Amino acid sequence: KNEVEQSPQNLTAQEGEFITINCSYSVGISALHWLQQHPGGGIVSLFMLSSGKKKHGRLIATINIQEKHSSLHITASHPRDSAVYICAVRLQGAQKLVFGQGTRLTINP
Amino acid sequence: DAGITQSPRHKVTETGTPVTLRCHQTENHRYMYWYRQDPGHGLRLIHYSYGVKDTDKGEVSDGYSVSRSKTEDFLLTLESATSSQTSVYFCATDDNRSSYNSPLHFGNGTRLTVT
Repeated sequence: KNEVEQSPQNLTAQEGEFITINCSYSVGISALHWLQQHPGGGIVSLFMLSSGKKKHGRLIATINIQEKHSSLHITASHPRDSAVYICAVRLQGAQKLVFGQGTRLTINP
Repeated sequence: DAGITQSPRHKVTETGTPVTLRCHQTENHRYMYWYRQDPGHGLRLIHYSYGVKDTDKGEVSDGYSVSRSKTEDFLLTLESATSSQTSVYFCATDDNRSSYNSPLHFGNGTRLTVT
């Protein structure tokens, strides 16, 4: 079993829908990252969380440390949100990051 | 993003030849990482550096070596390229303020094909 599991692996939705991507982990962490990768593109850091909730524009990230779970939400989704979203956790007391497999999101107009 | 440049962006090489990929940063970040990204595996750490001349292995380090002779540059060398090393390679850095909880910054990737 991977230390970081994302769900769903693939998600297709219509423009305007509310999107939720989940990340569960099984290890102690000091921080969790959400990353975005567009097709053929580089990787961009969206959020870094160690507790609570962060919001940037239409994107919201939450984390529940007790339940070892994080969610990434996109409100009023748009075709330009189509990308792979990657969850990564930094292990407690370590410099190492462990990555999830990614969630491929497609938003249709 | 954070002034990270990877070179080359694309490379085709033959099995058995040595290959060096370069990551250059202009942000004075202390930590630098090399990852490979393959379908079905996500991002996997090859090697990382926590300072000049200070490096350590990641989970898939066999067949790779690294060097960091100055803060700005982190080189990844495939000593004798194999077809299993065909992949997209990403360099990443952390800024200096808080190494344990720093945002990550990625380069644009290098697509390497070993024939």
